Amino acid sequence: DAGVTQSPTHLIKTRGQQVTLRCSPKSGHDTVSWYQQALGQGPQFIFQYYEEEERQRGNFPDRFSGHQFPNYSSELNVNALLLGDSALYLCASSSHYEQYFGPGTRLTVT
Amino acid sequence: KNEVEQSPQNLTAQEGEFITINCSYSVGISALHWLQQHPGGGIVSLFMLSSGKKKHGRLIATINIQEKHSSLHITASHPRDSAVYICAASISGGYNKLIFGAGTRLAVHP
Repeated sequence: DAGVTQSPTHLIKTRGQQVTLRCSPKSGHDTVSWYQQALGQGPQFIFQYYEEEERQRGNFPDRFSGHQFPNYSSELNVNALLLGDSALYLCASSSHYEQYFGPGTRLTVT
Repeated sequence: KNEVEQSPQNLTAQEGEFITINCSYSVGISALHWLQQHPGGGIVSLFMLSSGKKKHGRLIATINIQEKHSSLHITASHPRDSAVYICAASISGGYNKLIFGAGTRLAVHP
């Protein structure tokens, strides 16, 4: 079992561009949550997907959107990138209370 | 005031010392997680607690539900324990949504 995988590992974009990050959950996990971790801070909850629908959302603007596919993998899309979107984006998959984290995607916006 | 507070923010220890990291929370939880994050970003789940105490090797985690407090202890610390330790609360009825503390940066010197 590969655990939670994320791609790409690193990404550099310029302001105003759009980005898509991908996450494959641990086998058997049906729920995917996305978190943003700015440098030196704890992760912040962006949203959670379950059964291909957004089930919960944190305090992030509509520029942040997502999708979950029938195989439970998920995408995070960010439009109109701002410098402040530079962060580590973490995906966590869960089943009941068990949570596993991916290695993260480090996004740099210049 | 953050819903999950950790202390200390930074901790330096000599190899072999006993280390304690504290976490207090102000929300109703279904579980409390202790996580480890090394430079580069990847997060590893160390413990998930809903009551009592758990031990894994040199790591011990305890939780007091009435006092809304948890501690992570490291016995016989080693330089390879150097990392950021994060506590995160699974919110009651929150579908595994996690609220994170800011993390404790631990440096263990030989």
